[in-house]
Amino acid sequence: DAGITQSPRHKVTETGTPVTLRCHQTENHRYMYWYRQDPGHGLRLIHYSYGVKDTDKGEVSDGYSVSRSKTEDFLLTLESATSSQTSVYFCAISAREETQYFGPGTRLLVL
Amino acid sequence: AQKVTQAQTEISVVEKEDVTLDCVYETRDTTYYLFWYKQPPSGELVFLIRRNSFDEQNEISGRYSWNFQKSTSSFNFTITASQVVDSAVYFCALSEAKKSSGDKLTFGTGTRLAVRP
Repeated sequence: DAGITQSPRHKVTETGTPVTLRCHQTENHRYMYWYRQDPGHGLRLIHYSYGVKDTDKGEVSDGYSVSRSKTEDFLLTLESATSSQTSVYFCAISAREETQYFGPGTRLLVL
Repeated sequence: AQKVTQAQTEISVVEKEDVTLDCVYETRDTTYYLFWYKQPPSGELVFLIRRNSFDEQNEISGRYSWNFQKSTSSFNFTITASQVVDSAVYFCALSEAKKSSGDKLTFGTGTRLAVRP
């Protein structure tokens, strides 16, 4: 196991409320990623980080922001949740040899 | 832009049959990596294999084997003598291999494999 946890694992929220998902790693890896998984789309990259306070956008970044103030934590924030953001969110870290290892996922339902 | 195509949405086989999952990719990079991940019904994503663009050797790991062909931009995955525990969604993925900003993965849409007893 790559030592990645995500919290919460499940969340139900209402449209318009802010939501923050947390990814925590114990591996001290430089790179961290947030993906969302939706039927018919596979996984798509939302944001990623290549160091503390170094982040960049992925393919589907609209409506999301991220922060990384410590090596071990990468936060994904939905500023104002919408129903289209109902999804399963996966965090990943890059271990050596460029392989990404994934956390257990967070199921988010926006009503 | 990179693209990964898994044309097989769902495959159903009977236990002990061999099954091949297809993956076709598009990239302009000369250096890239290809991956297969397994997502069992429990939902986690399990890394299976990583292959770089300079290594076209096929690989075998137990009942699993992978056939990488740059000429056809394909990276197919074969399970020999399938078992019920192989039932899962399998994802093929491609990364840009740009180390300065991390390796962003582009995933296919996945192939759901059902192995019936």
